[in-house]
Amino acid sequence: AQTVTQSQPEMSVQEAETVTLSCTYDTSESNYYLFWYKQPPSRQMILVIRQEAYKQQNATENRFSVNFQKAAKSFSLKISDSQLGDTAMYFCAFSPRGGSEKLVFGKGTKLTVNP
Amino acid sequence: GAGVSQTPSNKVTEKGKYVELRCDPISGHTALYWYRQSLGQGPEFLIYFQGTGAADDSGLPNDRFFAVRPEGSVSTLKIQRTERGDSAVYLCASSLLSGGSEQYFGPGTRLTVT
Repeated sequence: AQTVTQSQPEMSVQEAETVTLSCTYDTSESNYYLFWYKQPPSRQMILVIRQEAYKQQNATENRFSVNFQKAAKSFSLKISDSQLGDTAMYFCAFSPRGGSEKLVFGKGTKLTVNP
Repeated sequence: GAGVSQTPSNKVTEKGKYVELRCDPISGHTALYWYRQSLGQGPEFLIYFQGTGAADDSGLPNDRFFAVRPEGSVSTLKIQRTERGDSAVYLCASSLLSGGSEQYFGPGTRLTVT
């Protein structure tokens, strides 16, 4: 069974600074996908960034980037130039390639960006 | 275009009652997922449809839970004999293809069983 662990229940950062959210996962699969989703108080889950496990290059999306360490099964999210709108719950998720490709989520990290 | 919609946004029901939760996926999306999110937790997978068929229902907790997608578009999650432990936010997501495609989530239905 796959599991996803987010060890930081809550984090805070000052506006314009950089913050890193941690995520580790456990799987015996060799082909899979990793995701970071953002869930603001409105409850709508929004995809932040996606990584394919067979790609060594770390994914980036504007101010968001990941540090993917496949051997260590680690997938951290770095948010640069933090903005007040980044305040939300952040969920790391794993999806095996093939089959249903259902998402397995961690428990989340509550990020607060302070002005 | 319109995103994934879910109705109702909130549902309060008494223990033992039957409820139906509706999901309208993005038009043309063949894959549809249901997840359940309890307070303070990440979403947990319930069931996956590819077209009209339930291709993976391994996450349904027991036989009180059932879901359908008769025409390959709208899906309904049905819960019989509701229990207080069923209280949660039920999320629906759809995607265009498999292969790690982005799942687009709806705003969820908050179910409260009293």
